[in-house]
Order: sequence, then C-alpha cells, then structure tokens
Amino acid sequence: GENVEQHPSTLSVQEGDSAVIKCTYSDSASNYFPWYKQELGKGPQLIIDIRSNVGEKKDQRIAVTLNKTAKHFSLHITETQPEDSAVYFCAAPFGYKLSFGAGTTVTVRA
Amino acid sequence: DAGVIQSPRHEVTEMGQEVTLRCKPISGHNSLFWYRQTMMRGLELLIYFNNNVPIDDSGMPEDRFSAKMPNASFSTLKIQPSEPRDSAVYFCASSRDRGNTEAFFGQGTRLTVV
Repeated sequence: GENVEQHPSTLSVQEGDSAVIKCTYSDSASNYFPWYKQELGKGPQLIIDIRSNVGEKKDQRIAVTLNKTAKHFSLHITETQPEDSAVYFCAAPFGYKLSFGAGTTVTVRA
Repeated sequence: DAGVIQSPRHEVTEMGQEVTLRCKPISGHNSLFWYRQTMMRGLELLIYFNNNVPIDDSGMPEDRFSAKMPNASFSTLKIQPSEPRDSAVYFCASSRDRGNTEAFFGQGTRLTVV
C-alpha cells in the first residue's frame, strides 16, 4: 500500500515566522495530495490540496509544493499566528484509500 | 449541509459491553470511511463503503468489530465485546468520490473502555 512519511513530528515556531512540513510517498501513481489540519477535539479538516499536474498552489498564508520526480510534497505556512497551532497531516491516495502521515504538532509561540 | 454527524461524542463503557458508534454522512457523498485515531498508530482506516457496499474491511482489527451501512444516510460501527485497547477516537468521513477527492470528517467519538 501507499507509505506516507511525514517530518518533523513536532515543530515550534515564533509567531510571525514560517513553518514547513515535509512528506514523502511511495506510490508513483498517486495524483492527489491533501493537507489536513486537526484542532483539539475536532476531526481533521482539509486546508489545501494539490494535484499532480501542478507544482505549487497557494491560498493566502499557506502553500503546498509538489515534486513528483522525488515523490515528496511540502506544506508552507508563512507569518504564523497562534491559531495555526494544531496537528497537520499530509495524505496520499492508494486506490480508493487515503494514507495519512503520522502528523506534525505545530506550536506557535506568542 | 451540517457536515458529517457522529454520535455519541463521548462514550465510556465497561469491558465486555457492546458499543455502537453512529455516523450520518454528507448528503450526496457516495463514499464513507471509518477511521480510528490513537497516539501510537495515528489515523488508521478501518473500513470503506462505496454506495452503501463494504468494499474493504481489511483494516478492521478483529471479529469483534463490525460495520454496516443500511442506507446512504447512515452507518454504524459496532464493537462487541469491547476491550480497553479499543479506547481511541473513532472518526467517520465521507467524500463524493474515492481517495482522490476531499474527505470530510466528523467530530469523532472518543471511546473509553474501562
């Protein structure tokens, strides 16, 4: 099945700084790469996704980059704010399934 | 739409008891997933339904776990008998299509088996 590895497992940043989370995947046929944000006591929620026909996608302060050759994709959060503190998951499809990374706990220090 | 609705939000039960978790997917979504989340194992897919039919239940840990989807608007995950190691947060998610479209998650059910 699809193996998705995510790094780092924890990330602490100063408010206003940038945060970067990286994921690698194993199935070269994967063509959809979502990122989910999970706040305490809630279910994961999609924040941005990218398909394999583009290399980068931006939505305000968040962006995702994809390198299909190297089979890795990254989440970038700029100008971090306290509300960005959460657990972030990357995912990649394997058939009908979404395989999730282990998650990154992001803490934004005021 | 109210999103994916799960009930109960919290469940505390004694070992050996039967537990039933419930899920109402988003109307019009034809795929439904049950996940289990623990610190040790992260998000694990338990079972996947497409058009109310179970397609893959390979993630169901044991015969004590069963899931049904009698219609497009309702699914249950049952554990009988429950054990302390079943304690986890169980999520239901639905999507319009299979793995390459957005999955919408419910708020989850936090299960504690004592």
